[in-house]
Amino acid sequence: NAGVTQTPKFQVLKTGQSMTLQCAQDMNHEYMSWYRQDPGMGLRLIHYSVGAGITDQGEVPNGYNVSRSTTEDFPLRLLSAAPSQTSVYFCASTSRDEPNTGELFFGEGSRLTVL
Amino acid sequence: DAKTTQPPSMDCAEGRAANLPCNHSTISGNEYVYWYRQIHSQGPQYIIHGLKNNETNEMASLIITEDRKSSTLILPHATLRDTAVYYCIVRVQTSYDKVIFGPGTSLSVIP
Repeated sequence: NAGVTQTPKFQVLKTGQSMTLQCAQDMNHEYMSWYRQDPGMGLRLIHYSVGAGITDQGEVPNGYNVSRSTTEDFPLRLLSAAPSQTSVYFCASTSRDEPNTGELFFGEGSRLTVL
Repeated sequence: DAKTTQPPSMDCAEGRAANLPCNHSTISGNEYVYWYRQIHSQGPQYIIHGLKNNETNEMASLIITEDRKSSTLILPHATLRDTAVYYCIVRVQTSYDKVIFGPGTSLSVIP
């Protein structure tokens, strides 16, 4: 198992550009989520999904779009990047079905800088 | 909002036990306590979780008070590699409600 894979690991954008952060998991987890982490801060939930075709907003959803067309993938889209979106983004997944015990599995992060 | 409160920072001498407290006074009967840690800027890593009994694994021990309103994560012999931010969250194990993290505790292990 590769676990949770995020791409790209690093990205620099100009204000107004769009891009998609990719997240894929190979553990057949129903639940997937995106967090952002600003310097010296904790994790803030952006969007989450409890299965293919189902998404919902987290704490800080503005400026981000998501979709879930397959169980494996949960891309995060920035339609018009702003400097305030400079952050490290983490994708996480979990399953409530045994033998899982509900813990979140995180990717290694995607570091985004918006100039 | 996060359902837990933790001290923002703690120090621990290398080789000593690190005891990290977490308050979760509004915890529901079916909510588990989960602990994660984040080393530098890596993705957070699951450590341990429990419902009401004390739990131990190869990484740490979790002590939950009888009224379940607080818990303590114990790293029995802290090493420099345990320097990290530790997050305590509560959630229903079989639920898919959104998982909210608080700011956590920044643990510094001092040589």
